[in-house]
Amino acid sequence: QVYLVESGGGVVQPGTSLRVSCSASGFTFNQYGMHWVRQAAGKGLEWLAVIWSDGNYEYYADSVKGRFTISRDNSRNTLFLEIDSLRPEDTAVYFCARAGDEYSGGPDSWGQGTLVTVSS
Amino acid sequence: QAVLTQPSSLSASPGASVSLTCTLRSGNVNIYRIHWYQQKPGSPPQYLLRYKSDSDKQQGSGVPSRFSGSKDASANAGILLISGLRSEDEADYYCMIWHTSAWVFGGGTKLTVL
Repeated sequence: QVYLVESGGGVVQPGTSLRVSCSASGFTFNQYGMHWVRQAAGKGLEWLAVIWSDGNYEYYADSVKGRFTISRDNSRNTLFLEIDSLRPEDTAVYFCARAGDEYSGGPDSWGQGTLVTVSS
Repeated sequence: QAVLTQPSSLSASPGASVSLTCTLRSGNVNIYRIHWYQQKPGSPPQYLLRYKSDSDKQQGSGVPSRFSGSKDASANAGILLISGLRSEDEADYYCMIWHTSAWVFGGGTKLTVL
């Protein structure tokens, strides 16, 4: 069974940076692409980024390009999302999700999410 | 303007069949694999299925066959059909496509089972 556990959320000040992590188990991590998706309270899902299984390619939503960085450590079965220059509108639950293939396939398994609150 | 448009809400009775639409603003819906997700309050989304054509489709693991996908080319829309509606189907439903090198979600439909 696929297990994805996000961590690293919390209350952070505007203008600072944050790295959230996603620990994966139950599948061969280095054979799947991985996504980040977020959801503000009471709002819909917003796709953020995807990274290929080998880490060689990344794709981003236009809304976060240049400020968000997705990365992975296949030796530790861990996915990361670095968020720079945090803004109040970045307040959301951040989900990691497994892609359906080794590339950029749509998500097929999701973690429970980690809440990031940007507030002074 | 949003790439994908979904009705914000829909209601139906137990036992009924309901079609949830996901309309593509521009481009030909026939070239896209449309992914569908169900989300209940306080839970992450769950993958239901993806549908491009009858020869290119996938059901999510453990997803019952009463959830199925199709397209309405005349409306340029993907459709999630739920038959034999149950109270536990009450949830938010999202569609998603790969569009110009990025994934895009529709705004979601809140389905109420009356």
